[in-house]
Amino acid sequence: AQTVTQSQPEMSVQEAETVTLSCTYDTSESDYYLFWYKQPPSRQMILVIRQEAYKQQNATENRFSVNFQKAAKSFSLKISDSQLGDAAMYFCAYRRNAGNMLTFGGGTRLMVKP
Amino acid sequence: NAGVTQTPKFRILKIGQSMTLQCTQDMNHNYMYWYRQDPGMGLKLIYYSVGAGITDKGEVPNGYNVSRSTTEDFPLRLELAAPSQTSVYFCASRNRDRGIAGANVLTFGAGSRLTVL
Repeated sequence: AQTVTQSQPEMSVQEAETVTLSCTYDTSESDYYLFWYKQPPSRQMILVIRQEAYKQQNATENRFSVNFQKAAKSFSLKISDSQLGDAAMYFCAYRRNAGNMLTFGGGTRLMVKP
Repeated sequence: NAGVTQTPKFRILKIGQSMTLQCTQDMNHNYMYWYRQDPGMGLKLIYYSVGAGITDKGEVPNGYNVSRSTTEDFPLRLELAAPSQTSVYFCASRNRDRGIAGANVLTFGAGSRLTVL
């Protein structure tokens, strides 16, 4: 079974600074998808960024980018120019291509200091 | 566009009671899912469905039942509520993977907080 591990239960960043959230996963598949979801206090799950494993280029969405290291099975999220609204729980998730199940990590709580 | 709608948002149950969490999506998505999120934890898959009439177990199906009679609706039933089922429940849906941008992304409902006392 696939597992997703987020080793940082909590992280803190100063407003306007950059922070990196870590995620590692375990799989024997070669074709899969990786995601970062944000969960603010409202509880709504919001997709931040998505990466297809067959793509070598790291995904980028405005201030959010990933460092995808396929051989190391690592998928970290970098948030640049952090804003107060970025404070939330962040979940890393994995799904194999053509698979039905999305597996989540345990989450990292990000705090942003003004 | 409503997306994924869950009801109720909050519910308190007594041990042994039954209830159904409702989930409806208006995006004509084939795949639907039920997750639970315990405090401070990630989401765990309870059940999922790949289309009307087809359901399958996830990681933590015990104590729950589902049905999928239509594309739009995917209710989750708790038959004999137990304190261990106190959690926040999320319904989600997505399209089939057909190489369409966004087709493999889950859309989540707002969650239903259930407390069993």
